[in-house]
This record gives sequence, C-alpha cells and structure tokens, in this order.
Amino acid sequence: GAGVSQTPSNKVTEKGKYVELRCDPISGHTALYWYRQSLGQGPEFLIYFQGTGAADDSGLPNDRFFAVRPEGSVSTLKIQRTERGDSAVYLCASSSIQGTEAFFGQGTRLTVV
Amino acid sequence: QQQVKQSPQSLIVQKGGISIINCAYENTAFDYFPWYQQFPGKGPALLIAIRPDVSEKKEGRFTISFNKSAKQFSLHIMDSQPGDSATYFCAASSMDSSYKLIFGSGTRLLVRP
Repeated sequence: GAGVSQTPSNKVTEKGKYVELRCDPISGHTALYWYRQSLGQGPEFLIYFQGTGAADDSGLPNDRFFAVRPEGSVSTLKIQRTERGDSAVYLCASSSIQGTEAFFGQGTRLTVV
Repeated sequence: QQQVKQSPQSLIVQKGGISIINCAYENTAFDYFPWYQQFPGKGPALLIAIRPDVSEKKEGRFTISFNKSAKQFSLHIMDSQPGDSATYFCAASSMDSSYKLIFGSGTRLLVRP
C-alpha cells in the first residue's frame, strides 16, 4: 500500500475482553514498530520486529500484551484481559532499513469501558 | 538516561513569525534525531531529521540546529503559517537500541493568522 495502514481506526471494548489491533506496513519494509500514545503525551515504544522476529519487546508493559508478525509483513498487537488503563492510541510504524525514516500509521484509538 | 526533554509545552506565534522548539537528551549513544508533526486524529509524520555529525540541517522553512556538546537540538519554523498549527515531537534513537524512538512530550503550536 501507499502508507502504513492500521485497523480498526477505533475500538471500544469492555474491561476484561481480548482485542487485536492490526498493522499493515509499507510494502517491502522489514522493520516494524508498535508505540502507544496516551492523551497529551508523546508515543512510547512497545515492540520492534525485524522481519518475522520480535527483536526488542522491552516496551511491552506486562504479559497481557503480545504481538506477532508471522510472515514478516502484517503485524497484530494482542491485548488480553483489557483494563481501563490500556485506553490509548496504538501506533504502528515501519521503515525500510533500521534507522532510516519511520512512517507511522494513523493509529487505532482503543477505549476500554 | 533514555529521556528526551522538550520545551515549551505550548507555543503561540503570529503568522510570518519564527517558531522555536527545543529538546535536550542525556544518552550520548543517540545518533538519530527526527522531528515529527502530528495533527489531531492522525499519526506522527516525519518532518526533518539530523545525525550528530552535522550542526544544522535545513529543508524548506524547517531547520534543525544541533549542539552535540550541549546535548541539545532545536526545530526552527520560519515564516510560520496557520497550517503549521499542530503538535510537534522531537525524538532520539540509536543503532544499539534497535532505533526505537524515544519521544519528547510534545509542543502544541498555534499560529495565529
């Protein structure tokens, strides 16, 4: 695609439910990052994939958060037993070579009620 | 040591004026310093970036000034326009940290007509 695509744009879920957020990076980009942005703050790093493997997951807040990228393109961020504190905009970014320009998607706004 | 400090939190500039946003960092391993522009409901978009081997980079109305010894860098927007009204984030990253971006807290810029 022309840019990084994230679906859904908005997700409202009940506390305790499971959610999946999808990221479709720019075609050919091998590096993929997930970030979380709370209201009025800068994005915070969650996890980084190089190809299919999670090369750095140091930003995942706890074991309720998990992400996969099975074929080295589309990635899914999975959140189990959602809590109200998980409400934020989840951003995905991709780049062609590690360290060069990172292009962000429009984000998924997750609201846990 | 991973923190990037950004100021001011908000900025109001008259059309045609110069907008200046400042950032400071501690980690001397950082080797890539991008600036992102974010409009409400959108993902961050890369504006301009610099590496520490140069002291200034200019692209159109946007200039990054970089002071390696002081561990500071700034964004200058010349001839500011109402369409520049957005939130601006500085960021820093390093090769040894997977080039994950460490963002500042953001500056909300308003350019008055």
